[in-house]
Amino acid sequence: QKEVEQDPGPLSVPEGAIVSLNCTYSNSAFQYFMWYRQYSRKGPELLMYTYSSGNKEDGRFTAQVDKSSKYISLFIRDSQPSDSATYLCATRIKAAGNKLTFGGGTRVLVKP
Amino acid sequence: NAGVTQTPKFQVLKTGQSMTLQCAQDMNHEYMSWYRQDPGMGLRLIHYSVGAGITDQGEVPNGYNVSRSTTEDFPLRLLSAAPSQTSVYFCASSYSNGGNQPQHFGDGTRLSIL
Repeated sequence: QKEVEQDPGPLSVPEGAIVSLNCTYSNSAFQYFMWYRQYSRKGPELLMYTYSSGNKEDGRFTAQVDKSSKYISLFIRDSQPSDSATYLCATRIKAAGNKLTFGGGTRVLVKP
Repeated sequence: NAGVTQTPKFQVLKTGQSMTLQCAQDMNHEYMSWYRQDPGMGLRLIHYSVGAGITDQGEVPNGYNVSRSTTEDFPLRLLSAAPSQTSVYFCASSYSNGGNQPQHFGDGTRLSIL
């Protein structure tokens, strides 16, 4: 079993809809949680970085962490065609420095 | 400001050949790492370096070598290429190891082993 599980999609939504993405993880030692966005043939870029359980908002993006359920989510409000990409969740253990464990990624398509 | 630069962007090798994937960053970052990305597998850590002269293994190090002689460069060497090493390889860097340090990724090298 992979340490971080993510539905591969694709997830297709109409423009303006809310995109809901999630990951589950098995290692309770994971303390930091990230969401990366990856456009086709590009490297991942960091979208959100959270440490504690709860919500963190940045513009149209909201990251949610529930450590008791080992569940992390990303919500994209008012989705745009430019949000079409693969979204990767990632986690790390504080003592492991910058060594990240990634989920497999969810491909999102926002249709105009 | 170039960020993280990877060369080449594409490469086709025959089984048994060796090659070096180049990675350079111009942000004076101490921490650098190499990942491979395979369909449905996400990114998996191959090797990483916390500073010049210091390297360590990640999750999938077999078949790969690294060295870090300068802060800027972190090349990845395939010693004897195998079809299982067909993948997209990403190099990443961050200011330091740990803390809220975002990792900056290059745009990848797409490697095919025949």
